[in-house]
Amino acid sequence: GAVVSQHPSRVICKSGTSVKIECRSLDFQATTMFWYRQFPKQSLMLMATSNEGSKATYEQGVEKDKFLINHASLTLSTLTVTSAHPEDSSFYICSASGQNFYEQYFGPGTRLTVT
Amino acid sequence: AQSVTQLGSHVSVSEGALVLLRCNYSSSVPPYLFWYVQYPNQGLQLLLKYTTGATLVKGINGFEAEFKKSETSFHLTKPSAHMSDAAEYFCAGYFGNEKLTFGTGTRLTIIP
Repeated sequence: GAVVSQHPSRVICKSGTSVKIECRSLDFQATTMFWYRQFPKQSLMLMATSNEGSKATYEQGVEKDKFLINHASLTLSTLTVTSAHPEDSSFYICSASGQNFYEQYFGPGTRLTVT
Repeated sequence: AQSVTQLGSHVSVSEGALVLLRCNYSSSVPPYLFWYVQYPNQGLQLLLKYTTGATLVKGINGFEAEFKKSETSFHLTKPSAHMSDAAEYFCAGYFGNEKLTFGTGTRLTIIP
């Protein structure tokens, strides 16, 4: 099956710094990538949708200047959390879809802790 | 508006017993429906999906689900629970746009 990787799996950063999370589709071309945030014991919240070469579409309430998304190629999308604060601590999950737009393949997630 | 509802945030079953996780949807268009499993600190793994055709779909690890349009349901079942089935399960749907709509999740606990 299709494989999506995320790096890093865990990151700890200090308040005020920025952190970048990478999402890669390893064996297929991802026309669309999605970024989700998951709080403890809760469901996934879609943050943004990105298509290769286009600007990301952010969900209502998600600050696009804080959560910068780049989808520069068909296999790589990045999420940069700028000027991170403790309330940004969360589990971030990416997913990617290829030919079948409705079928998303999920990465293993990145645990971000802001101290 | 489209939505996915999972009844029961926590379900406990004995090892070897039937697993039944409930999912209902609300949609004005024919849905595509999915069940995902999430183990602690991991991403989501697709268990099974319904798009069109046969309404009883079989997935990995012995799970299956039946799409019932009249009941707007897509319940997940497994005849005999294993300890390794303990995880969080999410029902999700596509309703004519690009996004997946997730239910709130059901935590499945297996009692030895």
